[in-house]
Amino acid sequence: EPEVTQTPSHQVTQMGQEVILRCVPISNHLYFYWYRQILGQKVEFLVSFYNNEISEKSEIFDDQFSVERPDGSNFTLKIRSTKLEDSAMYFCASSTGRANTGELFFGEGSRLTVL
Amino acid sequence: AQKITQTQPGMFVQEKEAVTLDCTYDTSDPSYGLFWYKQPSSGEMIFLIYQGSYDQQNATEGRYSLNFQKARKSANLVISASQLGDSAMYFCAMRESGFGNEKLTFGTGTRLTIIP
Repeated sequence: EPEVTQTPSHQVTQMGQEVILRCVPISNHLYFYWYRQILGQKVEFLVSFYNNEISEKSEIFDDQFSVERPDGSNFTLKIRSTKLEDSAMYFCASSTGRANTGELFFGEGSRLTVL
Repeated sequence: AQKITQTQPGMFVQEKEAVTLDCTYDTSDPSYGLFWYKQPSSGEMIFLIYQGSYDQQNATEGRYSLNFQKARKSANLVISASQLGDSAMYFCAMRESGFGNEKLTFGTGTRLTIIP
């Protein structure tokens, strides 16, 4: 079964450093997403990406965050200057884009720890 | 108002019993989808089951079924014959339609513990 893959599974970084989290969505999917889950809290939407541009972003997704699809397969989330409160599990997801279907799948997550 | 409400922060259930995890939602969109995900202690989000707003029948996937009551705006997850491996966090989520609005909104989750 096709799956969303994410790397790294765990990254530890110093506050102020740049971090890039990588995702390979399912190949025929058109919408890509990043979500965040701070430890013990609910999963929160960060950003959606369609047709090579951001289609929606939350208030969490400020200027420190950016997303890119540098080639036909990868989808990346960059945090320019990490803060302690960026420590969380980051999930990539992808879907075909048809809202009234069940086709939305998550990767296994990238755990980011900011020291 | 919360879009997704899960009122049970934690539940303890005896192994082999059935369990119902509650979820209510709020939307004015006629076309939407409801999801349940399982999150074990390892952290990944595992898709369990999906219900579309126009689906006539309740969704079922193996031991999982979704008790969809549209008028009440509830989408409870039923796990039959629970197993020790079912112990995890369970999240209900909704996806509304509309271009550029494909995101999922999650509830706060229910931590299910299966007792041997």
